[in-house]
Amino acid sequence: AQSVTQLGSHVSVSEGALVLLRCNYSSSVPPYLFWYVQYPNQGLQLLLKYTTGATLVKGINGFEAEFKKSETSFHLTKPSAHMSDAAEYFCAVSAGNYQLIWGAGTKLIIKP
Amino acid sequence: ETGVTQTPRHLVMGMTNKKSLKCEQHLGHNAMYWYKQSAKKPLELMFVYNFKEQTENNSVPSRFSPECPNSSHLFLHLHTLQPEDSALYLCASSQVGVRMNTEAFFGQGTRLTVV
Repeated sequence: AQSVTQLGSHVSVSEGALVLLRCNYSSSVPPYLFWYVQYPNQGLQLLLKYTTGATLVKGINGFEAEFKKSETSFHLTKPSAHMSDAAEYFCAVSAGNYQLIWGAGTKLIIKP
Repeated sequence: ETGVTQTPRHLVMGMTNKKSLKCEQHLGHNAMYWYKQSAKKPLELMFVYNFKEQTENNSVPSRFSPECPNSSHLFLHLHTLQPEDSALYLCASSQVGVRMNTEAFFGQGTRLTVV
């Protein structure tokens, strides 16, 4: 069975500081991994995904994530936070059926 | 029009009303989903349709009734809802392959308030 754990329901960083949102997964088969962003009262938008190949994946809005098999992690980072990054971020894993397994989400708060 | 479109964006209904949520995808995908998103709770997968056949029903109460007339359209029929059913309802679609599921594309959601 697959599962996803996102550490921290809320993360607060100052504008211009590094953003690090943590995601750990479990999967019995090689996973596909995803990060989505959700702005208030909107649907979820894909930020980036890992399928195969290069383990460092670059996405939209300056975000990137690194797949670390040995650590079963897929943490999301951005070197310098911007006020417009304030949103909720979801990590998900897909491993062979019709479902994406979702983390509980992390709300990113940007302090001016 | 592209992507996944949901209507209406907002809906207020009484507990005795009957209403329907509509979702349309223009991506040529073969799978469609209904999710419920409540405050302070994880995303809840409600229904999955693959090639118009329902493949998942995650213990959803019968007051929610899905319909998938073709691979581009998905409905969620609502009747005699409860206040705790108030939530953001999200529709999504994806292309399901032999082994792996590609990413899901989401609509903007319908904000439902039951009074």
